[in-house]
Amino acid sequence: EPEVTQTPSHQVTQMGQEVILRCVPISNHLYFYWYRQILGQKVEFLVSFYNNEISEKSEIFDDRFSVERPDGSNFTLKIRSTKLEDSAMYFCASSVTRDRGDRDTQYFGPGTRLTVL
Amino acid sequence: AQSVTQLDSQVPVFEEAPVELRCNYSSSVSVYLFWYVQYPNQGLQLLLKYLSGSTLVKGINGFEAEFNKSQTSFHLRKPSVHISDTAEYFCAVSGTGGFKTIFGAGTRLFVKA
Repeated sequence: EPEVTQTPSHQVTQMGQEVILRCVPISNHLYFYWYRQILGQKVEFLVSFYNNEISEKSEIFDDRFSVERPDGSNFTLKIRSTKLEDSAMYFCASSVTRDRGDRDTQYFGPGTRLTVL
Repeated sequence: AQSVTQLDSQVPVFEEAPVELRCNYSSSVSVYLFWYVQYPNQGLQLLLKYLSGSTLVKGINGFEAEFNKSQTSFHLRKPSVHISDTAEYFCAVSGTGGFKTIFGAGTRLFVKA
């Protein structure tokens, strides 16, 4: 069964550094998402991406964050000038469509645990 | 804006017993509702979803949920749990016109032998 994959599984960085989290969505999917979960807290929406553009973003997704689909398979989340409070599990997700008269299922990857020291 | 409240952070239950994981939501617009499961060190897997129609929704692994609009609830149930059902369960809501999914804090189901 096709699945969303994410690398690395765990990323440790120093405060102020830049990190790139990588995701490979399911191959025929068109919509891509990033979510994060701070330890012990809720899973929070960060951003959705379609047709090489951001479709929607949350207030968490400030100008330190960016997303990119650099080729036909990868979907990346870049965080510049990392802060301690960026430490969290980051989940990538993808779906075929957003709405076909039916809300399409978002398939989630296993997550990347980001630790900012 | 939408929000989700999962009323129990942990639910311990014996194997083969029934279980109900409670979820309430609030929204000013029509919503879609979901339950996801997260096994240790894995991603989020969709258990079931409510879009419209019948308020009783059946999902994978013998789980079902009932949408109750008047009580703004979407409780998850299973008549007989297995050890393998031990996991974190997330209730989630999405507005029918938007992309983002709002998650609850999660309920840890712990099935004991």
